Amino acid sequence: NAGVTQTPKFQVLKTGQSMTLQCAQDMNHNSMYWYRQDPGMGLRLIYYSASEGTTDKGEVPNGYNVSRLNKREFSLRLESAAPSQTSVYFCASSERTGVAYEQYFGPGTRLTVT
Amino acid sequence: GDSVTQMEGPVTLSEEAFLTINCTYTATGYPSLFWYVQYPGEGLQLLLKATKADDKGSNKGFEATYRKETTSFHLEKGSVQVSDSAVYFCALRHTGNQFYFGTGTSLTVIP
Repeated sequence: NAGVTQTPKFQVLKTGQSMTLQCAQDMNHNSMYWYRQDPGMGLRLIYYSASEGTTDKGEVPNGYNVSRLNKREFSLRLESAAPSQTSVYFCASSERTGVAYEQYFGPGTRLTVT
Repeated sequence: GDSVTQMEGPVTLSEEAFLTINCTYTATGYPSLFWYVQYPGEGLQLLLKATKADDKGSNKGFEATYRKETTSFHLEKGSVQVSDSAVYFCALRHTGNQFYFGTGTSLTVIP
């Protein structure tokens, strides 16, 4: 059981380049999320998808777009990368377990924009 | 809106010392509360959770009790090990699909 997988693990972009971060989960979860993690800031939600076919903005959506391709996959696209988007990006999925929702994280993508 | 405030680090302890990492939250009603742990170079892993007032979550020697009266969910461990060195995040989930995370507390345990 792979859980949540992310590709790539590392990426270096030049300012203005575009790229797509891929995320897939094999736990049949309805909800999926994209976060960025910056030093001293904790995790900040970029976008989330409550179910297949829906997406919503989180705390820091500017400069990003997402696609919920199917129930398994949720991609994050940077159309024109900026140095401020240098960060570690985590994908997560969530489902109800008993009376609580638990969130499962991928290993992260470390992105540097020069 | 909902939010989580946790103790700033970094925290450095000697092996076998007692650990407390403070976490308080702001939310109406009864959110679910979580502690996650992040080891170097990895994603976050669920450490423990509590879903209602006075619930105690526990795992791997760590404990946290959901205190509605003080809106707190402090993480404790009686005797830390070098292998507990990591970053710890307090989080909550309330209505809707969003989780709210604290800024993280870095723990280093020295032999």
